[in-house]
Amino acid sequence: DQQVKQNSPSLSVQEGRISILNCDYTNSMFDYFLWYKKYPAEGPTFLISISSIKDKNEDGRFTVFLNKSAKHLSLHIVPSQPGDSAVYFCAASRQHDMRFGAGTRLTVKP
Amino acid sequence: DAMVIQNPRYQVTQFGKPVTLSCSQTLNHNVMYWYQQKSSQAPKLLFHYYDKDFNNEADTPDNFQSRRPNTSFCFLDIRSPGLGDAAMYLCATSRVLTDTQYFGPGTRLTVL
Repeated sequence: DQQVKQNSPSLSVQEGRISILNCDYTNSMFDYFLWYKKYPAEGPTFLISISSIKDKNEDGRFTVFLNKSAKHLSLHIVPSQPGDSAVYFCAASRQHDMRFGAGTRLTVKP
Repeated sequence: DAMVIQNPRYQVTQFGKPVTLSCSQTLNHNVMYWYQQKSSQAPKLLFHYYDKDFNNEADTPDNFQSRRPNTSFCFLDIRSPGLGDAAMYLCATSRVLTDTQYFGPGTRLTVL
């Protein structure tokens, strides 16, 4: 059962523009949401998170939005930089149970 | 720097030959996790340890076992690897169960 879905396997954006990565989940019991970034040959690196009691969390160029009624979260990167090119995984968790999406490969073109 | 270390980074084994993957952490976290990730798929949780308390996911095959001899180390044992077990194996840690998980670089397992 795929409780967390990232429907776009890839996204290409021009440097300086906004990147928007989307994620949908099905289990309303999830209460903590995260985005991880993964470079080739490395493990996922924690990027940003949001608790279910919030609808927005911002950290520098990265902002995560949570829409609980739609069971949807998104990651905004602005401005996008070539170094942001990586695979981005969203994750949703409740206690130890963390479910990942399959990832979206972001390419930022110079 | 505090970190999660996995050894080896690449492991080749033969069909049916037992293999052990290693994970260590300097974060002093209570929880250690093992995930399996196949190409273009989401990481899938196999099991986790909260201190010495082992928790197996319901759909983790019996072929997969784990040991945590102390806080710093956790091992993944695959007793009889099949071709379908070829994957990236990720170790992660968190301070407590509800906390952010931090991942190691992974071990890519090839089964010949």
